[in-house]
Amino acid sequence: EPEVTQTPSHQVTQMGQEVILRCVPISNHLYFYWYRQILGQKVEFLVSFYNNEISEKSEIFDDQFSVERPDGSNFTLKIRSTKLEDSAMYFCASQLGIYGEAFFGQGTRLTVV
Amino acid sequence: GDSVTQMEGPVTLSEEAFLTINCTYTATGYPSLFWYVQYPGEGLQLLLKATKADDKGSNKGFEATYRKETTSFHLEKGSVQVSDSAVYFCALSAQETSGSRLTFGEGTQLTVNP
Repeated sequence: EPEVTQTPSHQVTQMGQEVILRCVPISNHLYFYWYRQILGQKVEFLVSFYNNEISEKSEIFDDQFSVERPDGSNFTLKIRSTKLEDSAMYFCASQLGIYGEAFFGQGTRLTVV
Repeated sequence: GDSVTQMEGPVTLSEEAFLTINCTYTATGYPSLFWYVQYPGEGLQLLLKATKADDKGSNKGFEATYRKETTSFHLEKGSVQVSDSAVYFCALSAQETSGSRLTFGEGTQLTVNP
């Protein structure tokens, strides 16, 4: 069964460092998302991406964050200068169509020290 | 803005017990409602959904009915199994107001003991 794959499963980084989280969505899907879950809090929407551009972003998704789909298969989330409060589980999701089921990856746990 | 509230957890039950996890929502449009499940070490998986009022979503013995009058989408199962132990998330998508993104509740940890 097709699945969304995220790497790495756990990333530890020093405060101020750049980090790139990687996702391989399901191959024929067109809509891509990043969500995050800070420990003990809700899963929060960060950004949606369609047709090679951001279609929607939340207030969390500030200038420190960026997304791209560099090669038509990977979908990446970059945090330029990590802060302690960026520590969270980050989930990637993809959908075939705008009203379709969202398929999630297993998540990347980011720890900023 | 849109929001989802789940009953406080965690929930611990014995095998074959009846399960209810409460979920209420606030949305200005006519949202679609979802239950997602996260098994240990895995990603979020869609469990069931309902797209309009009075629809009932069902899967793997779980059910939830979209109640517009009470803005609720409670998850139920008549007889839980140890394999149902997971975290359950209620979510909504209100395309009219927030595109295709999902708004999640807090998640409820369910543990089923043999």
